[in-house]
Amino acid sequence: SAVISQKPSRDICQRGTSLTIQCQVDSQVTMMFWYRQQPGQSLTLIATANQGSEATYESGFVIDKFPISRPNLTFSTLTVSNMSPEDSSIYLCSVEEARQFFGPGTRLTVL
Amino acid sequence: AQSVAQPEDQVNVAEGNPLTVKCTYSVSGNPYLFWYVQYPNRGLQFLLKYITGDNLVKGSYGFEAEFNKSQTSFHLKKPSALVSDSALYFCAVRDPTTVINDYKLSFGAGTTVTVRA
Repeated sequence: SAVISQKPSRDICQRGTSLTIQCQVDSQVTMMFWYRQQPGQSLTLIATANQGSEATYESGFVIDKFPISRPNLTFSTLTVSNMSPEDSSIYLCSVEEARQFFGPGTRLTVL
Repeated sequence: AQSVAQPEDQVNVAEGNPLTVKCTYSVSGNPYLFWYVQYPNRGLQFLLKYITGDNLVKGSYGFEAEFNKSQTSFHLKKPSALVSDSALYFCAVRDPTTVINDYKLSFGAGTTVTVRA
């Protein structure tokens, strides 16, 4: 089973700044996903990130706000741009290998 | 479109009693169904999945779930709950027959389980 790590594990940021979250997998995977879990809420898919192609964003999420990179089959980044307090959430990456494995998440607080 | 519903925000049981967490789903084709558990300040951990075959699926930590197509349900069960089972449980569904939704999971709102000693 895939082992996924995320950096940072948590951060506190100021309004208007940007934060880049890293997701590292211990094996090569084709499909990676980024989710958001707002406080007390379920998981919402932000985008699908496949290596060699542009990320596919879900309704309500745009590339300018959440740019994603996928430079190789073991790594991806999600940037939360021009942050506001409403962006305070846990951000999780996951990979598909017969089922989805999830990273430990990045807990973001925007002041 | 695919979706799941978890009708109970919270489930409270005494240790040693049976635990049931309810989930119903909606997909256009035959569903792939999953249960995940989230402990405080930790990521999601996979419990079990139904793809095809036997309607009763056994998973991690003594959990099982029964797929019921006529009732479009996939309830999670454990015969004897432990205090350590206290966590947030998510049901998720994927419709494998729709290319656009391929591999995307839709999650329920989650059910908080509290097992009291």
